[in-house]
Amino acid sequence: MQLVESGGGLVQPGRSLRLSCAASGFSFDDYAMHWVRQAPGKGLEWVSGINWNSRGTGFADSVEGRFIISRDNAKNSLYLQMNDLRAEDTALYYCAKDMSAQLPPEGFDVWGQGTMVTVSS
Amino acid sequence: QSVLTQPPSASGTPGQTVTISCSGSGSNIGSYYVYWYQQLPGTAPKLLIYRNNQRPSGVPDRFSGSKSSTSASLAISGLRSEDEADYYCAAWDDSVSGRVFGGGTRLTVL
Repeated sequence: MQLVESGGGLVQPGRSLRLSCAASGFSFDDYAMHWVRQAPGKGLEWVSGINWNSRGTGFADSVEGRFIISRDNAKNSLYLQMNDLRAEDTALYYCAKDMSAQLPPEGFDVWGQGTMVTVSS
Repeated sequence: QSVLTQPPSASGTPGQTVTISCSGSGSNIGSYYVYWYQQLPGTAPKLLIYRNNQRPSGVPDRFSGSKSSTSASLAISGLRSEDEADYYCAAWDDSVSGRVFGGGTRLTVL
């Protein structure tokens, strides 16, 4: 089982960025998926989650209204559209597989290596 | 300030048993399962414990989890140098409708 994130980079405040996560080695459409971030030198923060059929989503208060999570089960891919980015969004963004198909989440048993997002002028 | 409270650091010598605590409230630990993650330096987190006290396959039985009321604990017995890592607890929280993590505990093996 593998998750590979992409799409990170340096972006100016107020701009947008779209992260992608490619899944392989498991039946992607059987599980909920999540984004978790980690600011440099800081702890883990859950960002957003989506259930197996995209009918249920959740967001941290810090990103509600600015970030959109989506998935394409046909492409085994998870996405995070990040709008109106702020300096405090600077972090390593991990894609994580849930042990369950639904929200609220169970354990996150597969993680990618992360993609770094830096928001700075 | 994290919703779940963990001690910032813990330490022990090889072979010892170390316990890491995680304190929450009725809206999170008091009502939902607790999960524990291990993050070795420079790597992605790894699930250690799910549903309070269950170990995923491949996780040694030296790692054990427990929960009582609004608190949880992770115990590591037979401490080894390779256990040196950051440990995070996590749970769902009704008050924020989201998954919350503890601030993390850095374990040092002396």
